Amino acid sequence: EVQLVESGGGMIQPGGSLRLSCAASGFTVSSNYMSWVRQAPGKGLEWVSVIYSDDGTYYADSVKGRFTISRDYSENTLYLQMNSLRAEDTAIYFCTRVIADSRGGGAFDPWGQGTLVTVSS
Amino acid sequence: SSELTQDPAVSVALGQAVRITCQGDSLRSYFASWYQQKPGQAPVFLMYDNNNRPSGIPDRFSGSSSGNTASLTITGAQAEDEADYYCHSRETSGSWVFGGGTKLTVL
Repeated sequence: EVQLVESGGGMIQPGGSLRLSCAASGFTVSSNYMSWVRQAPGKGLEWVSVIYSDDGTYYADSVKGRFTISRDYSENTLYLQMNSLRAEDTAIYFCTRVIADSRGGGAFDPWGQGTLVTVSS
Repeated sequence: SSELTQDPAVSVALGQAVRITCQGDSLRSYFASWYQQKPGQAPVFLMYDNNNRPSGIPDRFSGSSSGNTASLTITGAQAEDEADYYCHSRETSGSWVFGGGTKLTVL
């Protein structure tokens, strides 16, 4: 069964750092595009970051320079290192796999259950 | 701010059809994908590649695209279809973007 399980969320003070993990099963993280998506309380989905199979990365402007996406091949795990956290980073963070479509775009499937990050003093 | 525009809320009578739209310049180059999210749950993948449904998604859900607009149509809406619906697309810049979401109410 294809599955993603996130962990590492919690409460952190502004300016702090946190690393989220996403353990994959049923497929190989290294040979897929993988992404992080977040959802602030009561708000819509916001794309955060993607890592391609060639290890190229892209970030939303809101997190660029503060967040780093990476993966561990041996652990089959995706990570999101979050530094200089702000109150506006408070959200549920989902990891997801990118499925390519016929135009070179893609869709997200499956999704993990999410992990809550709360940035507050 | 989102570069994919969705109506914030749409309502439909039980058993009737409803169309949820998504507009954005990136849709001239890339297909939209669609997701359903119910309160307290992770999003569920509904549609991609214009009109391809993942296995397990009922055939009352269909997709289409024209110009800068993508549409998700529910034919014969059911009570369990009441949820938030999000479109998503890749952008020509290389990043990815979601629409602001549409809250569907089934009356």
